[in-house]
Amino acid sequence: DQQVKQNSPSLSVQEGRISILNCDYTNSMFDYFLWYKKYPAEGPTFLISISSIKDKNEDGRFTVFLNKSAKHLSLHIVPSQPGDSAVYFCAATRDDKIIFGKGTRLHILP
Amino acid sequence: EAQVTQNPRYLITVTGKKLTVTCSQNMNHEYMSWYRQDPGLGLRQIYYSMNVEVTDKGDVPEGYKVSRKEKRNFPLILESPSPNQTSLYFCASSSDRALAKNIQYFGAGTRLSVL
Repeated sequence: DQQVKQNSPSLSVQEGRISILNCDYTNSMFDYFLWYKKYPAEGPTFLISISSIKDKNEDGRFTVFLNKSAKHLSLHIVPSQPGDSAVYFCAATRDDKIIFGKGTRLHILP
Repeated sequence: EAQVTQNPRYLITVTGKKLTVTCSQNMNHEYMSWYRQDPGLGLRQIYYSMNVEVTDKGDVPEGYKVSRKEKRNFPLILESPSPNQTSLYFCASSSDRALAKNIQYFGAGTRLSVL
């Protein structure tokens, strides 16, 4: 049973435009949600997180939105830059456990 | 420099030959964890440790062992590797019990092939 779902394996966005990456979850008991970014041949790096009691968190070009009623979160990157090309993992935590989605590969086009 | 170091980075072995992948962090983190990444499956947690001598199973612990005798080290042991354990492995650490409130630092990964 996949508790954290990233239904888009890949996404292509023009440089300078907004990138929107989506994530759905099934367990309403998750208390925190995170986004990680991964470049080839490197480990994932933390990007941004949001508590389940909030609906928005912003950090520079990155904003995460949480819609608890829809069990959906999204990561907005504005404006998109070439260095944003990477795989993005959505993750959710409850107690000591963390569950990752399968990832979405973002391509920023020149 | 704060880092999580995994060794080796690449390993090819044969079925049944015991191996250990080492993980070390220099940030005095309490929490450490192992993940495997497989195509189409994302990152899945194998084992984690909240502190020295405290370990617990993640989502896919079968075929793996871990130990946490010292705070900085968290080796992953495959007693009898099988081809379905061919994967990319990541070690990570975090400074606090509340994972989501703290950044997890990941190592660069170990690519394991079991023939």
